[in-house]
Amino acid sequence: DAKTTQPPSMDCAEGRAANLPCNHSTISGNEYVYWYRQIHSQGPQYIIHGLKNNETNEMASLIITEDRKSSTLILPHATLRDTAVYYCIVILTGNQFYFGTGTSLTVIP
Amino acid sequence: GAVVSQHPSWVICKSGTSVKIECRSLDFQATTMFWYRQFPKQSLMLMATSNEGSKATYEQGVEKDKFLINHASLTLSTLTVTSAHPEDSSFYICSARDQQANYGYTFGSGTRLTVV
Repeated sequence: DAKTTQPPSMDCAEGRAANLPCNHSTISGNEYVYWYRQIHSQGPQYIIHGLKNNETNEMASLIITEDRKSSTLILPHATLRDTAVYYCIVILTGNQFYFGTGTSLTVIP
Repeated sequence: GAVVSQHPSWVICKSGTSVKIECRSLDFQATTMFWYRQFPKQSLMLMATSNEGSKATYEQGVEKDKFLINHASLTLSTLTVTSAHPEDSSFYICSARDQQANYGYTFGSGTRLTVV
């Protein structure tokens, strides 16, 4: 079962930063936080993941609170192509992925 | 990065027939693959975990005799929807993990099944 809570939808202006929150208050010490996104009628795409420290890659930044009970995915300069459903997943490496309902992000021109 | 190929991308079949969907890891070996189903405007629902050389593990409520899973090699898992009915129409997605890589699971592009 999904162990995360995300807002169902968000809007973001093109060119601005998109900040997508995720609550995972029951996360255990060995569980990672993963972010994926799904563009309509495609398979989910890996974005980023982290355990304790903040992470950054070419797609996004992941900010994890010190108590690890929540995190925020940041898309620094949102484009129209970033319109998608974003899923936050908490998982022990090697285990199954259970998807929650995700956040539908709409980037507005 | 790791690539998972899923075939076919879409299929239309008649009620009562069976349909096979293939999931291949192209440049890595995957001892475990996962099969998901997604209905319109809903999230992905895990159906089963496919283990190479052994029986698949099905999630609660998923009929194992209806959704046959075979994982005969380290790069191929197949899902066969048997005696398909219109309510089986859905988007089926597989995923696999490259254990050599430092990231999560790679997903296939999905198969749109329509049963008429």
